[in-house]
Amino acid sequence: KNEVEQSPQNLTAQEGEFITINCSYSVGISALHWLQQHPGGGIVSLFMLSSGKKKHGRLIATINIQEKHSSLHITASHPRDSAVYICAVSLRNTDKLIFGTGTRLQVFP
Amino acid sequence: GAGVSQSPRYKVAKRGQDVALRCDPISGHVSLFWYQQALGQGPEFLTYFQNEAQLDKSGLPSDRFFAERPEGSVSTLKIQRTQQEDSAVYLCASSLAPWAATNEKLFFGSGTQLSVL
Repeated sequence: KNEVEQSPQNLTAQEGEFITINCSYSVGISALHWLQQHPGGGIVSLFMLSSGKKKHGRLIATINIQEKHSSLHITASHPRDSAVYICAVSLRNTDKLIFGTGTRLQVFP
Repeated sequence: GAGVSQSPRYKVAKRGQDVALRCDPISGHVSLFWYQQALGQGPEFLTYFQNEAQLDKSGLPSDRFFAERPEGSVSTLKIQRTQQEDSAVYLCASSLAPWAATNEKLFFGSGTQLSVL
């Protein structure tokens, strides 16, 4: 069983839809990261959070430490949001990030 | 430049050939990480530098993999006697602070796509 699991693996949406991507983890963490990876491109850090909720534009990330679960929401989705969204966790007291396998999102006009 | 720069962007190697992949982190960033990303998978940790010190190399898959950061800035990941299973995207990331002290935001390069034929 992977230490970081994401769902769904693939997601398609119509422009304007509300999107939710989920991440569950099974290890003790100090922080959780949401990352965005465009095809052929590098990775961009969207959020780093250790509790509660963060918002940036149309993106919202939440984390529930007790339940070891985080969600990434995209409101009013747009085709340019199409990318792979990766959840990664920082293990406590180490330098390691453990990554999920990503959720491939395609938003159609 | 303003971001993390990796070169080359693409590398094709014949099996058995040695390769060297370069990472230029953001100036002043203390922490530097190398990750390996196989097709369709999430990145996997290879090694971590704090300045010039390689504090963790537990993710390097074999002794054919070697990384250095001699002056605490540019880093090179070297793979000797490449094998087909080494084909992957190699990502470099840097962070301002020592990783264990704070969880600083990571900045990633675009990666080097290595294909071993």
